[in-house]
Amino acid sequence: QTVVTQEPSLTVSPGGTVTLTCAFSTGAVTNIHWANWFQQKPGQVPMPLIHTTNNRHSWTPARFSGSLLGGKAALTLSNVQPEDEAEYYCLLHDPPLWVFGGGTKLTVL
Amino acid sequence: QVHLVQSGTEVKKPGASVQISCKASGDIFTKYGIHWVRQAPGRRPEWIGWINADNGDTQYCPSLQGRLTITRDTSASTAYMDLSSLRYEDTAVYFCARELFASGIFDYGGQGTLVTVSS
Repeated sequence: QTVVTQEPSLTVSPGGTVTLTCAFSTGAVTNIHWANWFQQKPGQVPMPLIHTTNNRHSWTPARFSGSLLGGKAALTLSNVQPEDEAEYYCLLHDPPLWVFGGGTKLTVL
Repeated sequence: QVHLVQSGTEVKKPGASVQISCKASGDIFTKYGIHWVRQAPGRRPEWIGWINADNGDTQYCPSLQGRLTITRDTSASTAYMDLSSLRYEDTAVYFCARELFASGIFDYGGQGTLVTVSS
């Protein structure tokens, strides 16, 4: 069974930059895995931020960017704001299934 | 404006079945795949299945194969998720989410439906 791994927690200072990663247990993440990234705040529905590796939705602030980095999907937050404190989940396509990562709890401190 | 509206909270006994609906509006229903995701309290989301809203093709996660059925009614722009033989560990919030067909683009989702399995 495919496992998708993310950093359990990261801390960043306001105004700083942080990169979250998302790895497959079976090998490198590539563009065919259609990585999606979601932000979830307590008690809320996960909100889509990034689709197909590196494409922002119309509502996603420009400080969020997606990429591939060293065989993993990556989400980089630049100029981090206090409201970015949340849980972040990646979702990878492992045809014909989809698999969520374990989530990264981002603390802005 | 796009909306996916789900049916309301359910409380079921172990062994029972539950059906959740997800009604879409604001766009052409058959352009999309409708995915179902569940999230148990304090846990990661879990992708559980998908339906091609155009032709009805489905795919289910292996752990729920045999208990999960996803259907759709194109005339009502609604997808349905049926989960049978409920267990305590099926307690979760269930979400529907829209993917522009075969694109990997997840955009809008439903508000979530809490299913509690309790004796």
